[in-house]
Amino acid sequence: DAKTTQPNSMESNEEEPVHLPCNHSTISGTDYIHWYRQLPSQGPEYVIHGLTSNVNNRMASLAIAEDRKSSTLILHRATLRDAAVYYCILRDQEGYGGATNKLIFGTGTLLAVQP
Amino acid sequence: DSGVTQTPKHLITATGQRVTLRCSPRSGDLSVYWYQQSLDQGLQFLIHYYNGEERAKGNILERFSAQQFPDLHSELNLSSLELGDSALYFCASSVRANTGELFFGEGSRLTVL
Repeated sequence: DAKTTQPNSMESNEEEPVHLPCNHSTISGTDYIHWYRQLPSQGPEYVIHGLTSNVNNRMASLAIAEDRKSSTLILHRATLRDAAVYYCILRDQEGYGGATNKLIFGTGTLLAVQP
Repeated sequence: DSGVTQTPKHLITATGQRVTLRCSPRSGDLSVYWYQQSLDQGLQFLIHYYNGEERAKGNILERFSAQQFPDLHSELNLSSLELGDSALYFCASSVRANTGELFFGEGSRLTVL
């Protein structure tokens, strides 16, 4: 499984932008980059994903380096509700008897948001 | 609310016992995934089923087994329970087998005493 590296923790102030980095130097050409987050006492929640181009949705933006060896999740205005563990994941499609969409989670980045 | 339903939400049992965790995927989703989250191991992928067929297996112990039924709900069976099996067990679902986002349930918290 291709691996990702994220800082253990980051801190932000409310209503300021947050840039969460992720390194994935062993990424292959077909690996999608996924971001999920896990709020306290909840299951993980999809945030965004991309392959090569930068992506935007209502929750966040994903900036992918040209060589695809790193990416950055951008929360444009952090709120207290954004305090969570953010996981950067390279989707692993290897399975048997057919493709799989399983996600292999790392340790993620614990984001604290200060009021 | 992700649309994925897991029961029971909490379960306390003793070592050596057997439990069954149940997952109902979102309407229309054919894939079900099981994950285990403990304090020291983080989120560990256990197994993936697509339309009743096993597609991938992760770090799932031999004491654990799972299946997906024709109505697409899934069950995770944990037997000969040990203290170290205490964890949150999450189920997730997705429409297809190889793409798309995963929707996670709220988890079943298992405590083994």
